[in-house]
This record gives sequence, structure tokens and C-alpha cells, in this order.
Amino acid sequence: DAGVIQSPRHEVTEMGQEVTLRCKPISGHNSLFWYRQTMMRGLELLIYFNNNVPIDDSGMPEDRFSAKMPNASFSTLKIQPSEPRDSAVYFCASRVAGALSGANVLTFGAGSRLTVL
Amino acid sequence: GQNIDQPTEMTATEGAIVQINCTYQTSGFNGLFWYQQHAGEAPTFLSYNVLDGLEEKGRFSSFLSRSKGYSYLLLKELQMKDSASYLCAVGVRGATNKLIFGTGTLLAVQP
Repeated sequence: DAGVIQSPRHEVTEMGQEVTLRCKPISGHNSLFWYRQTMMRGLELLIYFNNNVPIDDSGMPEDRFSAKMPNASFSTLKIQPSEPRDSAVYFCASRVAGALSGANVLTFGAGSRLTVL
Repeated sequence: GQNIDQPTEMTATEGAIVQINCTYQTSGFNGLFWYQQHAGEAPTFLSYNVLDGLEEKGRFSSFLSRSKGYSYLLLKELQMKDSASYLCAVGVRGATNKLIFGTGTLLAVQP
């Protein structure tokens, strides 16, 4: 398996522009998570999906952020309009839905590094 | 809510042993995970504890005390490639079965 695939790996944009980050989970994994990582706050859970349905979006910072999962193999995280404080690395991760265990762990993608000028 | 604390930075010498501590407070505890993250890369899974005690996996071991809300990651025979951030994460049971991360401990291994 190719693992969790994210794109773009790097994006530089200007304040006010729309940003769309993409994720393809591991085949067979039906839980998908979006995290944001900054030096100050570490890895923060933004939203997660089970079987393409959003389960917990309490970590989404504000209405400028939205996420969708139209099918089992694709998810997007959109920021509109973007602001400099959104600059961070955004990680997508996936696993099989159900109880966490040593055999059912989160596998992360390589991340999308976003810089908003 | 959840609260996870771990030291920000540590330094150790090649060949030595280092212990990275993590304390946590959470409801619905469903396991303690350690991840390793090299600079510019994704976090990768290292270890999992759900019962009290020590889990050993090669040069790495992880310990859990649920009553104390405490875990540590022990790295033996340190190598330069072990220089990385080590993330403590708590599994939270419930409708979401989610994983909440601490801010990580940046370990620098010196020759």
C-alpha cells in the first residue's frame, strides 16, 4: 500500500485566498482524521470521519475551515479565506474504525505545509 | 477535556539511555500511544500501552501507570538517528475514539 497520500506537500498563498488540501486514506481504512501541527500548539485534531460521515468537528477553529469526504478514498480540507495564523503543517491520518489498539493505530500522511503570507 | 504534559526538549549522548516522561488527565482513557516524528516528516507509531506495566520492543520500552496518569518512553543504546520528537498521545473512548497528542519532546542525541 502507498500509505496515506496528501497533496500538495507545500503551498504558499496570500491572505484571503482559498486553500484546498487533499487526502487519500489507506485502502480499507474507514476512519479519517485531519490534524494541524504548529510549534506552539503541537498536533491538534480538527475533524474526523467514520465511513465518510463527519463524527467530531469540535476542533475546527472557525467557520473559515470546512472538510468533506465525498467517498471512501478522498477527503478535502478547505480554508476560505486563509489568514497568516493558519500557517501550519496539516496532516491527514487514517485507521480502521472502532476501538484503538496496538494493532489499530493511526497512520499519518506526509503532511501539507501551508504558508499564508 | 484532556491534558497531556511532556518536557519540551531533552539532550542525551550516543550509546546512553534516556527516559521521556508523560503525564495525562483524561476521561474515557483508551490507551497510551507513543509516536516518533523526525523533522519534516510524519509521526510514526512506536508503542501502545493499555494495561499497567512495561512493554518492550527492541531498544524502545514504554511504561504505563493508569492510577497515576503517567507513562514513560525508554530508549536504550541511543543512536544519532534517534534524534527526533517523541509524541505522547492518549486514546479517548466514546463516540469518537479519538487520539489526542501532547506537544512532543524534542530529543537531541549528541556524539
